[in-house]
Amino acid sequence: DTGVSQNPRHKITKRGQNVTFRCDPISEHNRLYWYRQTLGQGPEFLTYFQNEAQLEKSRLLSDRFSAERPKGSFSTLEIQRTEQGDSAMYLCAMGADPTNEKLFFGSGTQLSVL
Amino acid sequence: AQSVTQLDSHVSVSEGTPVLLRCNYSSSYSPSLFWYVQHPNKGLQLLLKYTSAATLVKGINGFEAEFKKSETSFHLTKPSAHMSDAAEYFCVVSDSNTDKLIFGTGTRLQVFP
Repeated sequence: DTGVSQNPRHKITKRGQNVTFRCDPISEHNRLYWYRQTLGQGPEFLTYFQNEAQLEKSRLLSDRFSAERPKGSFSTLEIQRTEQGDSAMYLCAMGADPTNEKLFFGSGTQLSVL
Repeated sequence: AQSVTQLDSHVSVSEGTPVLLRCNYSSSYSPSLFWYVQHPNKGLQLLLKYTSAATLVKGINGFEAEFKKSETSFHLTKPSAHMSDAAEYFCVVSDSNTDKLIFGTGTRLQVFP
């Protein structure tokens, strides 16, 4: 158990609906990352926060995606107007500052868009 | 830009036999390299990491990896496979410019009794 909790574990939605995922981190780690993993692929970086500041966003993160980390604690990832191509495992990870090299990953949220 | 290539998508071994999972990296400078393991329904877990202190890196659960600059490789090995080693393994490089990890496509290890 890495101490990084993600909810829900599974989400099934219809195309066009909005979905929101939550990540509750280890309290003493101030870097939070979101990754996306599709079947047969490794995780791909989406975005990351240092405390409440969003420092980088991948070009994979279209305008339909938004992530927040109010107060530098938990984070949410929202996808608006979901598409079938959004179906994937969404992973949250925590890293300690100043080194981010060891990341603690949550078990992920599996999104299925029908 | 840094990248890693995992040469085998699937590896099958018998319990008690050696494991070799291959990884080649591409980097314009000395990279930080990792191996992560992903068991079904569990989060990714760090097995080991290389950060230039020693070319042979020992990790958890009896795994080790050797950094070979001349071959741009970072292969993962274990002398004797156990049934519990069956999982997905990812070779990873750290992009020091952007503070993110770049994952390979993964190698699924199957262990037969």
